Amino acid sequence: ETGVTQSPTHLIKTRGQQVTLRCSSQSGHNTVSWYQQALGQGPQFIFQYYREEENGRGNFPPRFSGLQFPNYSSELNVNALELDDSALYLCASSLDHSRETQYFGPGTRLLVL
Amino acid sequence: TQLLEQSPQFLSIQEGENLTVYCNSSSVFSSLQWYRQEPGEGPVLLVTVVTGGEVKKLKRLTFQFGDARKDSSLHITAAQPGDTGLYLCAGGLQVWSGSARQLTFGSGTQLTVLP
Repeated sequence: ETGVTQSPTHLIKTRGQQVTLRCSSQSGHNTVSWYQQALGQGPQFIFQYYREEENGRGNFPPRFSGLQFPNYSSELNVNALELDDSALYLCASSLDHSRETQYFGPGTRLLVL
Repeated sequence: TQLLEQSPQFLSIQEGENLTVYCNSSSVFSSLQWYRQEPGEGPVLLVTVVTGGEVKKLKRLTFQFGDARKDSSLHITAAQPGDTGLYLCAGGLQVWSGSARQLTFGSGTQLTVLP
């Protein structure tokens, strides 16, 4: 059984640029959630995708957007990067959108200069 | 404002000692999960508890969900250096903007077990 995978592992961008992060969900899981984890903090919910639609969103601005594909993989896009966007971005998959148990990938470390 | 408060924030103990980490909230959660995270890696699920008063044991780790489903604790017996890591609690909530079930995390407890 394949776990959650994310790419790239590390990324450096400059302020104002755009970035796309990718996630492949665990086998058999149809729901993907994205979280942002700043240094020294717990992860914060960005949004969730289920059946290729955004299924719920946390307190993040519209420049954070996403996609889910028919194979349940997902992308997180961030436009107009700001310095405060520097963080570990985590993808988590769950069996179904009604399940709260989520399995996390290794994350993508984004540094915005 | 942190919805879930974890304590202590940092804990450094000797191998063989026991410890308890607490996770408290004024909100009711439908479930409570505990994760352990290593530096630069994603959180790894340890346990999910869903029933008020539920106690689960995982080898030397004991997890308890409060009767009112607002708090939880993690107790480690005879800690080992391999237990070192960031322990995160996360409560399950329905997102107001949709049907998604989101996790809201505490800020974590950094545990160091010295040999």
